[in-house]
Amino acid sequence: AQTVTQSQPEMSVQEAETVTLSCTYDTSENNYYLFWYKQPPSRQMILVIRQEAYKQQNATENRFSVNFQKAAKSFSLKISDSQLGDTAMYFCAFIGAGSYQLTFGKGTKLSVIP
Amino acid sequence: GAGVSQSPSNKVTEKGKDVELRCDPISGHTALYWYRQSLGQGLEFLIYFQGNSAPDKSGLPSDRFSAERTGGSVSTLTIQRTQQEDSAVYLCASTREGGGTGELFFGEGSRLTVL
Repeated sequence: AQTVTQSQPEMSVQEAETVTLSCTYDTSENNYYLFWYKQPPSRQMILVIRQEAYKQQNATENRFSVNFQKAAKSFSLKISDSQLGDTAMYFCAFIGAGSYQLTFGKGTKLSVIP
Repeated sequence: GAGVSQSPSNKVTEKGKDVELRCDPISGHTALYWYRQSLGQGLEFLIYFQGNSAPDKSGLPSDRFSAERTGGSVSTLTIQRTQQEDSAVYLCASTREGGGTGELFFGEGSRLTVL
């Protein structure tokens, strides 16, 4: 069974600064996908970024980038130039290739301070 | 609609009552998920529907929970004889087809409070 661990229940960052959210996972699979989802106070989860395990290049989406360390089973999210709208819960998630069931971490509550 | 629609947005009920939560997925999405999010917890998988296949009910916490999906579209999650520990946000998500390559599209959830 896969597990996803987010060791930081809460974090805060000053507006315009950079913050990194940590995520580690455990799996015996070799091919899988990793995700970061954002859940603002409106409750609607939206996908922030996705990483395919067989790709060595780290995924990037505008101000969001990941540091994917496959051997260490680590998948951290870096948010650059933090904005007030980034305030949300962030969930790391894992899915094995060919599977349909995502495994989520418990989330990190990020607060961006003006 | 353009997104996943859930109703009601908020539901307050008394212990012992039955509740129904509705999810209307994105048109054309064949896969549908229900998750439960309790305060301070991550997302707990409840049930998965894919097309006409038998649903994966392995996440349902007790026999008081059931779900159906009619016509491959709208889904209803039913909780019978609600208990206080059922209080949570119930999230529905859909995707074009189940599988690791696709992203899940979530609704805004139904917040259930059992008094």
